[in-house]
Amino acid sequence: SQQGEEDPQALSIQEGENATMNCSYKTSINNLQWYRQNSGRGLVHLILIRSNEREKHSGRLRVTLDTSKKSSSLLITASRAADTASYFCATASSYNQGGKLIFGQGTELSVKP
Amino acid sequence: DAGVIQSPRHEVTEMGQEVTLRCKPISGHDYLFWYRQTMMRGLELLIYFNNNVPIDDSGMPEDRFSAKMPNASFSTLKIQPSEPRDSAVYFCASRGGIGELFFGEGSRLTVL
Repeated sequence: SQQGEEDPQALSIQEGENATMNCSYKTSINNLQWYRQNSGRGLVHLILIRSNEREKHSGRLRVTLDTSKKSSSLLITASRAADTASYFCATASSYNQGGKLIFGQGTELSVKP
Repeated sequence: DAGVIQSPRHEVTEMGQEVTLRCKPISGHDYLFWYRQTMMRGLELLIYFNNNVPIDDSGMPEDRFSAKMPNASFSTLKIQPSEPRDSAVYFCASRGGIGELFFGEGSRLTVL
């Protein structure tokens, strides 16, 4: 069964605006990861945040993690048309030393030029 | 490195036929995952291996599905017999230790 649930399912914004996607999960985690998928392609890793971290940055990406609420958010600042893709969170459970990685349903982001 | 290599990229077959999907992970990676992606069910973990040993196959839908990893550089996912509801994109992914996954481009399976 899926662990992560993402919100919203779809998001449409204008170029230059910020995009925020949220992920909620159910069990204790070792780490949480975000991936991007362009249409017809495999998933590409964006960023990993460990359970003892609260915030992480990578370029225009900012990820937060709140383990008390079992939730994470991905913020893409100053979005570009090329950011159009589906974004997935994935959780690595702490019960198997982070081995198993379960993906959420994803958020479909559309950035209009 | 060439990345994770999957074959075939596309497969169209008839119900009842055997389907074999292949994956070559990135050299040196000790974890290998098989996922299935559909519009209805999203990205489902089918099975994963660590050092060629199956660790968790609880996501394998039924006995028609089987996966093997005879060595560190090759894995197969077999469906026998195939059914129309098996139509999906099947992804293989690998990683070294606990961290990011590297995905192949997927095998799109259509069962008529």
